[in-house]
Amino acid sequence: DAGVTQSPTHLIKTRGQQVTLRCSPKSGHDTVSWYQQALGQGPQFIFQYYEEEERQRGNFPDRFSGHQYPNYSSELNVNALLLGDSALYLCATGHRQENTEAFFGQGTRLTVV
Amino acid sequence: AQSVAQPEDQVNVAEGNPLTVKCTYSVSGNPYLFWYVQYPNRGLQFLLKYITGDNLVKGSYGFEAEFNKSQTSFHLKKPSALVSDSALYFCAVRDAPGGDMRFGAGTRLTVKP
Repeated sequence: DAGVTQSPTHLIKTRGQQVTLRCSPKSGHDTVSWYQQALGQGPQFIFQYYEEEERQRGNFPDRFSGHQYPNYSSELNVNALLLGDSALYLCATGHRQENTEAFFGQGTRLTVV
Repeated sequence: AQSVAQPEDQVNVAEGNPLTVKCTYSVSGNPYLFWYVQYPNRGLQFLLKYITGDNLVKGSYGFEAEFNKSQTSFHLKKPSALVSDSALYFCAVRDAPGGDMRFGAGTRLTVKP
């Protein structure tokens, strides 16, 4: 059983560009949450998707958007990249109706130059 | 909104000694509490959780944590530290099953031989 997989593992983009990050959930999971982890900090909640809709959102600008597909996989899109968007982006998946732990992917390291 | 505080950026212990990593939380309803560990350039690995029941919960790799409702704390403990326990530890809280998790800033644990 594959766990949570994220792609790509590393990415370098230029300021002003757009980026798409992808996440495939652990088998049986129906929610996908995205987190931004800047160097030396804890993960900051971006948003959560369930049933193809954004259900909760953290304190991030509209430049950050997402999507969830019928197979529960998800994308995180960031437009008009800023240098400060450089971070490790983590995907976590779980069950919406259950109080179980979230499973994390290895993350995508985004560097904006 | 729920939040977590980890008051210590760094904890240093000698191998074989007991360790404690502190966490306090704030949540409007029932707290659901989690501990995760992160190794360099990796995602987060689940250690243990408190949902309900016994205040002392046991998790992976010999770790345990004590839930204290009156002090709103959920400290991580291990009776005998190993050098391999050296990593970044995060406490997290959610206020509803399947909802988003909010993380602390993390505590770097260093175990010296």
